[in-house]
Amino acid sequence: DGGITQSPKYLFRKEGQNVTLSCEQNLNHDAMYWYRQDPGQGLRLIYYSQIVNDFQKGDIAEGYSVSREKKESFPLTVTSAQKNPTAFYLCASSIGRDMYGYTFGSGTRLTVV
Amino acid sequence: AQKITQTQPGMFVQEKEAVTLDCTYDTSDPSYGLFWYKQPSSGEMIFLIYQGSYDQQNATEGRYSLNFQKARKSANLVISASQLGDSAMYFCAMREGLSNFGNEKLTFGTGTRLTIIP
Repeated sequence: DGGITQSPKYLFRKEGQNVTLSCEQNLNHDAMYWYRQDPGQGLRLIYYSQIVNDFQKGDIAEGYSVSREKKESFPLTVTSAQKNPTAFYLCASSIGRDMYGYTFGSGTRLTVV
Repeated sequence: AQKITQTQPGMFVQEKEAVTLDCTYDTSDPSYGLFWYKQPSSGEMIFLIYQGSYDQQNATEGRYSLNFQKARKSANLVISASQLGDSAMYFCAMREGLSNFGNEKLTFGTGTRLTIIP
């Protein structure tokens, strides 16, 4: 079945370390997104990519980096510059003008220890 | 300014009653879409219903309906005959610029935590 796979489900990071969250989709979607979710703040857009080898900053891109070398993959790196990285991270994808085509992964919960 | 506003952080509703979750939005774009998602405690986002700005009728999907009042920029979700399994976070979201390719990102509200009481 087609879908989005995020891994790992839970991730613990020591302060000062970079970590990479994986997001893979087999839906043949062109666009992919990373959202961050904090309690009481809903989902905020970190980065998004409409096509391979191109991506744009969202509302809270500072301290994060992404790459889009393959259509299927959109990994997110949380760098040591991100001061408050503990959060729930959701990856999503979509296809063109299909309003019903947004698909979300099951999320990665990152905790800084 | 917030593009999506959900003013109810939490709601408690008796099982089998109907519930309305509020959502107001702000956009100057004439072409936009409004979404509602359900997020159970497991974390996944479940699509519930969609309303386009040019749709003439309010959207319905089973027990879910969207009360779309364009002039008031309101898109409230109505759940009829609530069930215990409806307990979850509910998010309203908007996509602007439907006619523009490459502008497909969603903007979310802060959510409403709905608890159904037996």
